[in-house]
Amino acid sequence: SAVISQKPSRDICQRGTSLTIQCQVDSQVTMMFWYRQQPGQSLTLIATANQGSEATYESGFVIDKFPISRPNLTFSTLTVSNMSPEDSSIYLCSVAVQNYGYTFGSGTRLTVV
Amino acid sequence: AQSVAQPEDQVNVAEGNPLTVKCTYSVSGNPYLFWYVQYPNRGLQFLLKYITGDNLVKGSYGFEAEFNKSQTSFHLKKPSALVSDSALYFCAVREPPNTGFQKLVFGTGTRLLVSP
Repeated sequence: SAVISQKPSRDICQRGTSLTIQCQVDSQVTMMFWYRQQPGQSLTLIATANQGSEATYESGFVIDKFPISRPNLTFSTLTVSNMSPEDSSIYLCSVAVQNYGYTFGSGTRLTVV
Repeated sequence: AQSVAQPEDQVNVAEGNPLTVKCTYSVSGNPYLFWYVQYPNRGLQFLLKYITGDNLVKGSYGFEAEFNKSQTSFHLKKPSALVSDSALYFCAVREPPNTGFQKLVFGTGTRLLVSP
């Protein structure tokens, strides 16, 4: 099963700024997913990122707010742009692995002040 | 579109007693079902999954889950709870591969509290 290194693990940011979250996978994977977990809530899929193509965003999420890069089969970044306190959440990346499994990064706990 | 319901926000059980965390699903076609656990300040850890085959699936840390197609349920169980099992549990579902969709849809989560 794949191992994901997600950075940073946590950050406190000023409103109006941007934060880029990185996920590095120890093997090549086709699909990567980015989730948001708001305080006390479940996980909500932000977008699906395939290498070499534009990310596919879920309803309610837009590229201008959450730009995603997927330069190769082992790496992806999610940027949270022009942050407001409502963006305070845990952000997790995930990859699909063999036998229909999914592995998750350890998450980035973001606080916007 | 697929969906998952976890009807209990919290389940309380005494250590040593059996535990059940409930999950029902809705999906087109045969479901692919998952259970994950989240400990404080940590990511999601995989417990078990049902893809096909035996309706009783055994997973990590002594957990198991029973797939019931007629009731569209996939309840998580453990014969004897430990205090260390206290965490947030998520049920998730995805559509089968022939639909082309791979995204995982999560339930709202159930907090399990095991008392000594």
